[in-house]
Amino acid sequence: GENVEQHPSTLSVQEGDSAVIKCTYSDSASNYFPWYKQELGKRPQLIIDIRSNVGEKKDQRIAVTLNKTAKHFSLHITETQPEDSAVYFCAAISSGTYKYIFGTGTRLKVLA
Amino acid sequence: GAVVSQHPSRVICKSGTSVKIECRSLDFQATTMFWYRQFPKKSLMLMATSNEGSKATYEQGVEKDKFLINHASLTLSTLTVTSAHPEDSSFYICSAIDEYFSNYGYTFGSGTRLTVV
Repeated sequence: GENVEQHPSTLSVQEGDSAVIKCTYSDSASNYFPWYKQELGKRPQLIIDIRSNVGEKKDQRIAVTLNKTAKHFSLHITETQPEDSAVYFCAAISSGTYKYIFGTGTRLKVLA
Repeated sequence: GAVVSQHPSRVICKSGTSVKIECRSLDFQATTMFWYRQFPKKSLMLMATSNEGSKATYEQGVEKDKFLINHASLTLSTLTVTSAHPEDSSFYICSAIDEYFSNYGYTFGSGTRLTVV
């Protein structure tokens, strides 16, 4: 089955700097990779996603890149702000199903 | 946009009692719902996949007699934690998807924090 690894587990950046979170997956048939932001005690919120037929997708300060050959994808947040502080999870769809396999999460702290 | 309602948001129960958590899709038909469990500062662990009108599919290591899942309609799935014990205390969250219209995107419920005392 699919296995997703996520790094780093914690990340502290100064306000205005960029943050990068990386995930690797094992199932080459996985074709959808969402990123979620979760604030304490709240539901995960989808912030960006990418499909396997695309190498990069951008939405304002957030971008995701996908390297199918290496089986990894990354979240890039530019010009970070304190409100970006949260836990971020990557996920990959287990092939043939709609099941998400989540990464272990990254706690991002943006220091003012 | 798609909305999933989950109730209750918090519940405290005595050890040995059962607790039911509801997950409703408000503006779409959820062909599939998923139940996740999340421990503090940990990732979301998939417990089971629930399809309308059929038995839930449980992930390895999840006791199906302990965590009863019913998906009676296209808009409602329930998770019942039976004979709850303190180790069942956790954050439980559902998600729903309409496979016929989906682009794979999930909609998550707001989660239920269960505390067993």
